[in-house]
Amino acid sequence: AQSVTQPDIHITVSEGASLELRCNYSYGATPYLFWYVQSPGQGLQLLLKYFSGDTLVQGIKGFEAEFKRSQSSFNLRKPSVHWSDAAEYFCAVGVGTASKLTFGTGTRLQVTL
Amino acid sequence: GAVVSQHPSRVICKSGTSVKIECRSLDFQATTMFWYRQFPKQSLMLMATSNEGSKATYEQGVEKDKFLINHASLTLSTLTVTSAHPEDSSFYICSATQGAFSDEQFFGPGTRLTVL
Repeated sequence: AQSVTQPDIHITVSEGASLELRCNYSYGATPYLFWYVQSPGQGLQLLLKYFSGDTLVQGIKGFEAEFKRSQSSFNLRKPSVHWSDAAEYFCAVGVGTASKLTFGTGTRLQVTL
Repeated sequence: GAVVSQHPSRVICKSGTSVKIECRSLDFQATTMFWYRQFPKQSLMLMATSNEGSKATYEQGVEKDKFLINHASLTLSTLTVTSAHPEDSSFYICSATQGAFSDEQFFGPGTRLTVL
C-alpha cells in the first residue's frame, strides 16, 4: 500500500522568504502525486500534480514541486511567500487516474509579517 | 474549474439521531465520489468510494451500516451518519471525479458535524 510522509508538522517563515515543504512517498510504481492547500474550515484546493514527464511541475499561486524518484520525494517550493499563503498543505499520492488518494499528515504554514 | 458543493456546511445534532450530508457536483457529471473524514489538526482519511448506481466500497475499519452512502445520480452523493455519537464529530469532505479517466478529484468545502 502507498503511504505519504510529511516530516514537518509546522513551519514558520517570514513574508518574502522562500519556502520548501517536504513530502516523501512510498509506492512500488510511479505514483500520481498531488499537493493541496486547505484554509481553516475549508475544503482542499489543488496546487499542482505530477503524473509523468517533466519532473519540475508548476502550479497555481506561484508554487512548484519537483519529483525525485531516487529520493521518493515531491517537495513543494515557493520563491517568495505571501501572508495569504498561511494554511495547511497536504501532499497526496494516488495509484492511478480517478483513484483514491492517500494523504500525508499535513504541514501547517505560518507566515510572519 | 469543476465545482463541488456540500450541504449543510455545519450541523449540530443530538446523540442517537441520524444526519445526512449531501455532496453535489454542480457543473459536471461525477462518476465517482469519495468521502473523507478529517479530525482536528489531522489528515484526511478516506472512508469510502462510491460510483453512481452501485454500492459504495468502504475502507477497512469504516462501518458501512453506520455511514450509509448513496450515489443515486451522477451529480449527487449522500452520506448518512446513523445513530450518531460524539465520537462521530468530525469534518467530512467529499470529492468527485469527472470520469473514469479523470486525473483530478474536486473537493467540496466540507461539513462540520458536531454530535452532542
